[in-house]
Amino acid sequence: DVKVTQSSRYLVKRTGEKVFLECVQDMDHENMFWYRQDPGLGLRLIYFSYDVKMKEKGDIPEGYSVSREKKERFSLILESASTNQTSMYLCASSQDRGQTQYFGPGTRLLVL
Amino acid sequence: AQSVTQPDIHITVSEGASLELRCNYSYGATPYLFWYVQSPGQGLQLLLKYFSGDTLVQGIKGFEAEFKRSQSSFNLRKPSVHWSDAAEYFCAVGPPQGAQKLVFGQGTRLTINP
Repeated sequence: DVKVTQSSRYLVKRTGEKVFLECVQDMDHENMFWYRQDPGLGLRLIYFSYDVKMKEKGDIPEGYSVSREKKERFSLILESASTNQTSMYLCASSQDRGQTQYFGPGTRLLVL
Repeated sequence: AQSVTQPDIHITVSEGASLELRCNYSYGATPYLFWYVQSPGQGLQLLLKYFSGDTLVQGIKGFEAEFKRSQSSFNLRKPSVHWSDAAEYFCAVGPPQGAQKLVFGQGTRLTINP
């Protein structure tokens, strides 16, 4: 079975802090994704990566950056956290373009 | 613009009753179509997907979905729901080729009455 893990289930940070969310997949997948999930809005794509050191902006990249130094790991960075970034963050991976995405359990981030 | 609409934000059904969750999409070509389920506090799990071929697809947990090109719909069905089906359900579409940027609907929350 594909396993996607995220470093924290719950996280509380202060406004202005730098926040790192880590995601690791164990199936040698090419693609990795970061979404945020908000009630009534579904999932919105922040960034995705289709190869090591490669990244592409999703629909809502503002205020976020990403890093993919190793194939299995994809990090989401909030350079200066703000209260409007309080949300559930979901990581996903897939083997190839057009294929099924597998999701991690999510990180619920609260920015005070 | 690509979009997915799930018209029902919240549905309540009795255990043992049938279920249909609606999904309509707007897309330039026939997309790949997915249904995911999210149990409370969990990530998303794939229920089923449609890429091509038979328009009625079977998934896990007794779910099925039917692709109707003329209606741009991909509705999810289950003949008899169980209390464990209470969850949030998301419909998603993606391009048939190229960069895989899925577009998700807003989700439908399903409550099961005993």
